[in-house]
Amino acid sequence: GQQVMQIPQYQHVQEGEDFTTYCNSSTTLSNIQWYKQRPGGHPVFLIQLVKSGEVKKQKRLTFQFGEAKKNSSLHITATQTTDVGTYFCAGSPGSARQLTFGSGTQLTVLP
Amino acid sequence: DTEVTQTPKHLVMGMTNKKSLKCEQHMGHRAMYWYKQKAKKPPELMFVYSYEKLSINESVPSRFSPECPNSSLLNLHLHALQPEDSALYLCASSRQSTNEKLFFGSGTQLSVL
Repeated sequence: GQQVMQIPQYQHVQEGEDFTTYCNSSTTLSNIQWYKQRPGGHPVFLIQLVKSGEVKKQKRLTFQFGEAKKNSSLHITATQTTDVGTYFCAGSPGSARQLTFGSGTQLTVLP
Repeated sequence: DTEVTQTPKHLVMGMTNKKSLKCEQHMGHRAMYWYKQKAKKPPELMFVYSYEKLSINESVPSRFSPECPNSSLLNLHLHALQPEDSALYLCASSRQSTNEKLFFGSGTQLSVL
């Protein structure tokens, strides 16, 4: 079926290092959303990107949507221990009516 | 109020039991969802209600039965579950369509013995 792939699956960084997770779809996405799920918690919406080539920033987080609307990335500058969690992208590939979640990237930040 | 409230937070049930999960939102959202999430996996869509009508059923076994009594409430009735159904069950809502941002509840951690 239609899938949204996300890499890497796991990432360990030292506090202060940067972190990037990538999301890829084989078909064009109408939009891409990013969610964060803390350990033991539930997914929390971070941002939605709609336009080709769109870039949005939230403090230390930078989100990009590819020109072809098939890929996206989330970059965190100077990670902090509060960034720990699993980051999911979610998009609607092709003609799909509902969101498909990527496999997620689990971020561990070592103090 | 920007919350989606789910009860109970934890549930342990036997394979012959009948139980129900409840979800409530008062944001005026017209789309409500049930997701299933296994440990270290992404949420998997089960059901979507749009304007109180079931619009998407992702081939979910009939031992899971959704119900939307009104625009604020969503239930998931469970009967004759299997141990492999143990998971975190998340309710979510969005303003209108299925492409809008999702507001998730804190989930029900279900264990089937």
